Amino acid sequence: AQSVAQPEDQVNVAEGNPLTVKCTYSVSGNPYLFWYVQYPNRGLQFLLKYITGDNLVKGSYGFEAEFNKSQTSFHLKKPSALVSDSALYFCAVRRTDNNDMRFGAGTRLTVKP
Amino acid sequence: KAGVTQTPRYLIKTRGQQVTLSCSPISGHRSVSWYQQTPGQGLQFLFEYFSETQRNKGNFPGRFSGRQFSNSRSEMNVSTLELGDSALYLCASSLFAGGPGEQFFGPGTRLTVL
Repeated sequence: AQSVAQPEDQVNVAEGNPLTVKCTYSVSGNPYLFWYVQYPNRGLQFLLKYITGDNLVKGSYGFEAEFNKSQTSFHLKKPSALVSDSALYFCAVRRTDNNDMRFGAGTRLTVKP
Repeated sequence: KAGVTQTPRYLIKTRGQQVTLSCSPISGHRSVSWYQQTPGQGLQFLFEYFSETQRNKGNFPGRFSGRQFSNSRSEMNVSTLELGDSALYLCASSLFAGGPGEQFFGPGTRLTVL
């Protein structure tokens, strides 16, 4: 069965520190991988995606993500967190054979001043 | 370029009623997907439309239906509402159905079923 796991419901970091939001997946083939962010009372906003090629993907607002095929992971990272990064982050996976799209449960990131 | 718009933003209905939600995609986008977001189940895919045809469907009962018009605008309908249908319904548009393209989400319609 296809699944996307975000093992941490909540991640707390201090402003200026690096942050990591974890995502692992169990999907056949070579899926497309995405990260989205949701601010309160808003829809989701696209951050970055992995299609193929370089395992380190750079996205919006200084975020990047590292794809690891052997570990089937796609962790979101940022070298220096901002208070304004506090939001709900979703990992998503789309299969390439049937276009089935699945989202993780979300991780709430809180960056404290 | 205007973003994805959803109307209405808030709805309150009672059990047994039906409801229609509307989504206008970004100009030029031909694919519209619908998602249900709840605290307990997270984001769940409902269906995806491209060029007025349903291309993909999630695991929801037949009470949930949708359609897409020739101008790419989409509606979803929920009949015989149940308390468990209370959720944030998100619409997302993209240039094409499926593939590696990112989706652009609207602000959602908050449905409360009493």
